[in-house]
Amino acid sequence: EAGVAQSPRYKIIEKRQSVAFWCNPISGHATLYWYQQILGQGPKLLIQFQNNGVVDDSQLPKDRFSAERLKGVDSTLKIQPAKLEDSAVYLCASSYRAGGDTGELFFGEGSRLTVL
Amino acid sequence: RKEVEQDPGPFNVPEGATVAFNCTYSNSASQSFFWYRQDCRKEPKLLMSVYSSGNEDGRFTAQLNRASQYISLLIRDSKLSDSATYLCVVPYYGQNFVFGPGTRLSVLP
Repeated sequence: EAGVAQSPRYKIIEKRQSVAFWCNPISGHATLYWYQQILGQGPKLLIQFQNNGVVDDSQLPKDRFSAERLKGVDSTLKIQPAKLEDSAVYLCASSYRAGGDTGELFFGEGSRLTVL
Repeated sequence: RKEVEQDPGPFNVPEGATVAFNCTYSNSASQSFFWYRQDCRKEPKLLMSVYSSGNEDGRFTAQLNRASQYISLLIRDSKLSDSATYLCVVPYYGQNFVFGPGTRLSVLP
């Protein structure tokens, strides 16, 4: 079974530039998550999708971050304009079932962003 | 009180040692809990789920104390390959899976 695919693996940009990350979840997984993991910290949820609808985006900095999952499968996370503090690993995860206390999260390898 | 707190670490232990990590959470309504393992520069992977008072899998034992709102992870007979960061994960409705900051373990030869 193919895992969660993410690209690009690494990205270096200057502040105020834009960047986009792509994620393809495990086939059949209805729920997709984007997490931000800053070095030395645990992953922080940015946005959760159930199929193509947003379940939780309360911690997404909406003035600069946007995400979509148009057809309920793959997803794109965009940052525009980037700030220095956005340097982090962006992890995409998927799960078969939605809900807080069910199911295992399967993570992609992450996209490591460095903002100079 | 933060949503999920963990022993800050790092824990440096010799091979064969027994080590325990603690995790405390603030949402008393959470019913299940998870320990994830994250190797350096890798993605987190599920280590254990805890749905009742505890769970055991080989050298790993997770215990849950609902009254005190903490979860522990015990590793017996530590191996070099156990070196990693251990993340405590607590589901919160409205935020779903909330990760703790992680506890780093280094098993030394």
